[in-house]
Amino acid sequence: DAGVTQSPTHLIKTRGQHVTLRCSPISGHKSVSWYQQVLGQGPQFIFQYYEKEERGRGNFPDRFSARQFPNYSSELNVNALLLGDSALYLCASSISGNSGTQYFGPGTRLTVL
Amino acid sequence: EDQVTQSPEALRLQEGESSSLNCSYTVSGLRGLFWYRQDPGKGPEFLFTLYSAGEEKEKERLKATLTKKESFLHITAPKPEDSATYLCAVQKGSGGGADGLTFGKGTHLIIQP
Repeated sequence: DAGVTQSPTHLIKTRGQHVTLRCSPISGHKSVSWYQQVLGQGPQFIFQYYEKEERGRGNFPDRFSARQFPNYSSELNVNALLLGDSALYLCASSISGNSGTQYFGPGTRLTVL
Repeated sequence: EDQVTQSPEALRLQEGESSSLNCSYTVSGLRGLFWYRQDPGKGPEFLFTLYSAGEEKEKERLKATLTKKESFLHITAPKPEDSATYLCAVQKGSGGGADGLTFGKGTHLIIQP
């Protein structure tokens, strides 16, 4: 069975640019969450989407936005990139938005120069 | 504010030397506590979900336990392939939904042959 997939694997951008990261959840899962993980830290919650609606938001600036599509895949957008946005961006899927285990994808490594 | 503290930050063991990793948490309305394993540069791999104090789960050489304030991940007779960072996360419930996961910084475990 296919797990959570993310694209691209790696990405290099310069300050001020915009980036779009993509995620496809496990088949049958309707909820997608996004996390940012900087080196040496645990993942930090950015957004949760369920049935195409935002269900939760972490403490991130408005430069970060996301959406979920009818097929439950999701995009994370980051505008006006800063050096501090360099991190591993993780997508996790779960069956529902209420509770239950979240399964993570391999992540997208974003480097901002 | 929700908090998850993992200890020790790093642990080096000899192959076959059993030990325990600690996860202390402060959260209102715990919905679930999760353990993940993460290899360098990869996404977290799900290990266990615990929902209530007194619950225990086992998988191969790993056993997770939960109390009202902390969780332990016991590793019995570890092998070099158990070397990884082990992450603990909590999820709280609010109203009809659940929030994103709050992670600790992880315990970096090295098993020497």
